Amino acid sequence: LAKTTQPISMDSYEGQEVNITCSHNNIATNDYITWYQQFPSQGPRFIIQGYKTKVTNEVASLFIPADRKSSTLSLPRVSLSDTAVYYCLVVLNAGKSTFGDGTTLTVKP
Amino acid sequence: DVKVTQSSRYLVKRTGEKVFLECVQDMDHENMFWYRQDPGLGLRLIYFSYDVKMKEKGDIPEGYSVSREKKERFSLILESASTNQTSMYLCASSSPTGDRNEQYFGPGTRLTVT
Repeated sequence: LAKTTQPISMDSYEGQEVNITCSHNNIATNDYITWYQQFPSQGPRFIIQGYKTKVTNEVASLFIPADRKSSTLSLPRVSLSDTAVYYCLVVLNAGKSTFGDGTTLTVKP
Repeated sequence: DVKVTQSSRYLVKRTGEKVFLECVQDMDHENMFWYRQDPGLGLRLIYFSYDVKMKEKGDIPEGYSVSREKKERFSLILESASTNQTSMYLCASSSPTGDRNEQYFGPGTRLTVT
């Protein structure tokens, strides 16, 4: 399983754009990159996935460079409710993957 | 709406007891997972099942076993509970044929072993 590395924590203020970068140097050719969000006392929730270049949905954008060894989750104009732990995963066919420690994002007023 | 349910939200057991944690999904998913989550340690995979009666060890299988007799149900068994197994246990399911590599999580079981 490809190991991922993310910052342990980040702080931001309401209304700012937040970018969380994840490195996955050992990503395999057919692996996808997925991101999850977790609030306290809840299970993680899928946010977005991508294979290469840029993906955008109603919640976030995901930027993946050509070498795919890293990815950046972008949250536009965060609010207090975006305070959560964010996990980056590398996964094949929705199978085994490693969540790691995640990034604790704290949004301040 | 997709649903993963776990048998208990909170559970208190004594050291040495045999503990069963049950997980049921209604999405006909092939893959099912058991994780534990401890403060500062993220989610760690205990066991993974990709089909009925099939299982693979995750990162921390020691002290645990699993059972998957039916597609929708995946059980985690603590043969002899110990205090270091006090944790939040999360079950998830996914499908390898879906258009997203998404795991759907249950609400979790907070287990305390005294």
